[in-house]
Order: sequence, then C-alpha cells, then structure tokens
Amino acid sequence: EPEVTQTPSHQVTQMGQEVILRCVPISNHLYFYWYRQILGQKVEFLVSFYNNEISEKSEIFDDQFSVERPDGSNFTLKIRSTKLEDSAMYFCASRWRSSYNEQFFGPGTRLTVL
Amino acid sequence: AQTVTQSQPEMSVQEAETVTLSCTYDTSESNYYLFWYKQPPSRQMILVIRQEAYKQQNATENRFSVNFQKAAKSFSLKISDSQLGDTAMYFCAFMKQNTGNQFYFGTGTSLTVIP
Repeated sequence: EPEVTQTPSHQVTQMGQEVILRCVPISNHLYFYWYRQILGQKVEFLVSFYNNEISEKSEIFDDQFSVERPDGSNFTLKIRSTKLEDSAMYFCASRWRSSYNEQFFGPGTRLTVL
Repeated sequence: AQTVTQSQPEMSVQEAETVTLSCTYDTSESNYYLFWYKQPPSRQMILVIRQEAYKQQNATENRFSVNFQKAAKSFSLKISDSQLGDTAMYFCAFMKQNTGNQFYFGTGTSLTVIP
C-alpha cells in the first residue's frame, strides 16, 4: 500500500541555521499539508498546498517558513533561521481529491534545535 | 475557531474488553467531518474511522464505532474486543468542509491494551 515518506527521521540543528524537511506524498494525491507537534502538545496545522501554491496557512507559518514542490514528487518545508521553539515533530500529509478523502500522514521528522 | 478536546490523556483496557475514548469539539460550522486517527509507537498516523456531520447514523468499522452527538458536539470512539495491536495514541480530528481542509486535532489519548 502506498505511504507518505519523510526524511530525515531526526534532524538536529543549531539555532539560526536553515533546515529543509522532505516529504514524498502518495503519487496521485493532489493536496499536501504540513503539521507540527511540539512535545506534549496537540498536532497543529502549518500549511496546505494545492496546484503548486499555498491554499491556506496558519499564524504559525510566518516568513521563516516556506514550502515547495520542486520536482512533482517531493514536498519540502524550509525553515530559514531556526529558533529553539521550532523543536517539534513535523508531519507531512497528502490527500487525493474530495473533502471526504482522508489525509495520509508520514511518520514525521523530529527536529531538535540546540 | 475550531477546538478539539480529548480529556483523557491516558487510558488502559484489558485485552478483549471494550473501551471508549472521549472527544468534544467546538465549532460554529454546520458542515464538517470528524476523524479518529491512530498512531502506534514509532509509526505514522492512520485513519481509524470518519463521520460526516450531516449523517445521523454513527459510523462503524469492524470493532471500531463512534457515538456522534452533534448537538452536544461530542464524538467518542468505542473499541470493542480490544487487541494488543490497538495500543497506540489516538487523535480526534475535525475538518471543515470546503476549505483548505486542514485538520484540527485534539491532544490525543494514549491507550494501552493489557494482556
């Protein structure tokens, strides 16, 4: 069964550094998402992406964040200058078409900012 | 804004018994979807069951069923004949219809099935 994959599984970085988190959504899916979960807190929506543009973003998704689908298969989340509070688990998800369709989640990338 | 509340951070159940996980939500929307996702240890979240708000009939998927009370904004998950493989974190999620379809999640309930 197709799965969403994410790399790396764990990323450690220094504060102020740029990081890129990578996701490979399921191949025929059309909608893509990033969520994050700070330890002990709820999973929070960051951004949704459709037709090569952002369709919705949360207040968390400020100018330090960007997303890209560079080659039709990968879907990346870039954090330009990481802060300590960016330490979290980041989940990618994808969906096929209608609202009824479930979102399929990747296993997550644990980002640790030192 | 939508909020989802799961008031049980941890629960346990004996194998083969039944357990109910609670979820309440707050919204002014009339059309929406509700989901329960399961996240086994070190694995990705997978869909357990979903419910469309316009449907009065409660969704069921094998041993999993929901008690959807729209007026009370309650969406509990019942797991019957619990199995060891049901041990996981369970997340309740809300999605508005016809938007970017983002999910609003609860904080999760960690369920342990005891042999």
